[in-house]
Amino acid sequence: SFELTQPPSMSVSPGQTANITCSGYKLGGKYANWYQQKAGQSPLLVIYQDYKRPSGIPERFSGSQSGNTATLTISETQAMDEADYYCQAWDSKTAVFGGGTRLTVL
Amino acid sequence: QLQLQESGPGLVKPSETLSLTCTVSDGSISSTFYYWAWIRQPPGKGLEWIGSVYFTGNNYSTPSLKGRVTISVDTPKNQFSLKLSSVTAADTAFYYCARHYGSSGYYEYAFDSWGQGTLVTVSS
Repeated sequence: SFELTQPPSMSVSPGQTANITCSGYKLGGKYANWYQQKAGQSPLLVIYQDYKRPSGIPERFSGSQSGNTATLTISETQAMDEADYYCQAWDSKTAVFGGGTRLTVL
Repeated sequence: QLQLQESGPGLVKPSETLSLTCTVSDGSISSTFYYWAWIRQPPGKGLEWIGSVYFTGNNYSTPSLKGRVTISVDTPKNQFSLKLSSVTAADTAFYYCARHYGSSGYYEYAFDSWGQGTLVTVSS
């Protein structure tokens, strides 16, 4: 079955860049979407179709894909960016989520 | 701005059927451009797509739930619903309703609006 793999956790210092990866066999050729979920809140779409930003999402959030790996990049990370981040893609008409990455800003 | 609100019992007994409703506000569930989805998240764990429905009633669900899922739409009430049968403790989760773009059977787009979620506990 199609699976998406993310690092369970990572940490970044304020002002630095965080790169969160999402890998999956055959991910290349599919669109990756990214969601931010802060504690006690519902997920928020921050990147769709690999690199597009929804209205209202800060420019410091960007996305890319190369081969079978999608990457969410958060530039100039702020304390407010501390959250769980999930990648998601579709395979055979089924939505699949990565296991999530907990980003700590310290 | 579109709002989604889940409602339903917070406690369900094992082997019974979980039933939830999502009410859509400031938007029409009859739009030809969107599908409406259910996604769940066990406490402290990751997200799992349950299934999606179009305003016509056409619906799709994850094979992993092995036919226990029924998703339906009530266009006059601007609502859609989830029924999950034969529940066990493993079905304890926050249940979210969400929207994603799609039309005519192609719906593989991002979930761009989410409800606040509702916790359903399966316990006797």
